[in-house]
Amino acid sequence: ELKVEQNPLFLSMQEGKNYTIYCNYSTTSDRLYWYRQDPGKSLESLFVLLSNGAVKQEGRLMASLDTKARLSTLHITAAVHDLSATYFCASAYGQNFVFGPGTRLSVLP
Amino acid sequence: SAVISQKPSRDICQRGTSLTIQCQVDSQVTMMFWYRQQPGQSLTLIATANQGSEATYESGFVIDKFPISRPNLTFSTLTVSNMSPEDSSIYLCSVVGTSGSNTGELFFGEGSRLTVL
Repeated sequence: ELKVEQNPLFLSMQEGKNYTIYCNYSTTSDRLYWYRQDPGKSLESLFVLLSNGAVKQEGRLMASLDTKARLSTLHITAAVHDLSATYFCASAYGQNFVFGPGTRLSVLP
Repeated sequence: SAVISQKPSRDICQRGTSLTIQCQVDSQVTMMFWYRQQPGQSLTLIATANQGSEATYESGFVIDKFPISRPNLTFSTLTVSNMSPEDSSIYLCSVVGTSGSNTGELFFGEGSRLTVL
């Protein structure tokens, strides 16, 4: 059974600081996704990572994938308040998607 | 990317009633997925809706409680039957992209937020 864990589950950080969210998955996966969810809203796709060593960056967010360690990271650089949201990683194999529990991020002024 | 429209976007329902959520996609897709997100929780797959056959339900979800229709390749409905307060959740329709760089990516509708009193 494919399981996905995220660490930390809650993160409170000050503006301007850097931090990393970790996503571990338990079995073979062929794609790894990161999503953002604002309160009361649906999920917005941030990154799709397809291969070992893949790195993608958008603004202050950078995602990477290590398939050998079954680990993906979402790095936040110089956080700003607008990044406050819940971030989910999801591992996929074929049409089977499994979501992590989410990391609730609060960026404080 | 796929454009997915859901309605209603939100509703307040009475215990014991049923509500049907509609999901419309702007392109033909083989499979549509229905997820539930309980307050403060992650997403849980309810079922996969296949056109021309019965939906496939995940463990813990049954057809009597969550009947699904899939009349064509762009539309599906999920009914939440005999609702109780524990059914208060966001229900999300999703599809997997099938063209170009979107292939394999999971796209979501806006969600339907149900509150059961």
